[in-house]
Amino acid sequence: GESVGLHLPTLSVQEGDNSIINCAYSNSASDYFIWYKQESGKGPQFIIDIRSNMDKRQGQRVTVLLNKTVKHLSLQIAATQPGDSAVYFCAENKAGNMLTFGGGTRLMVKP
Amino acid sequence: IAGITQAPTSQILAAGRRMTLRCTQDMRHNAMYWYRQDLGLGLRLIHYSNTAGTTGKGEVPDGYSVSRANTDDFPLTLASAVPSQTSVYFCASSDRGIGNTEAFFGQGTRLTVV
Repeated sequence: GESVGLHLPTLSVQEGDNSIINCAYSNSASDYFIWYKQESGKGPQFIIDIRSNMDKRQGQRVTVLLNKTVKHLSLQIAATQPGDSAVYFCAENKAGNMLTFGGGTRLMVKP
Repeated sequence: IAGITQAPTSQILAAGRRMTLRCTQDMRHNAMYWYRQDLGLGLRLIHYSNTAGTTGKGEVPDGYSVSRANTDDFPLTLASAVPSQTSVYFCASSDRGIGNTEAFFGQGTRLTVV
């Protein structure tokens, strides 16, 4: 069946560098995407979302890019900080259906 | 601001026992959800409720039941727990219907069935 997936299970970056976390989706009808951050022992926390009528959306230090042609979603974190260390999940929604989560990518920030 | 409160934080449960996980939100959100999180499988939707008085099945509903008597509360019941239900359970809520807006998550309930 169609699903959301992630390319890299673990990403290690140096503090101050930019991070890019990738996500592939296969449901071409999905119209809404969300990135969540989950710190150890806590629930997922909303980072940023994007709808399918957009290619790019920026937040504070984060940017989400959506490439519908290749069904690819990415989360860019600028000037990565130790506090960014967490597991990041992408999630997709086909209009009216349940939100489907990917398996997650662990981001490790080296001081 | 409390947001979403889950109880208990953790529980060890004997197989075959009945257990209710509690979830309360104070944001007056219409929609509420229960997810389970297992290593390597991400978050999977168990049941959801788009508004008080209605519920629906998610991706993995077997062995679980829910009720939505009012806007604030959305308990999840395991009628007869089995070891495969060992997981971390997250309750979430959102202002609009499922999948249309961001969902706010609770801190989770870690359940171990032995």
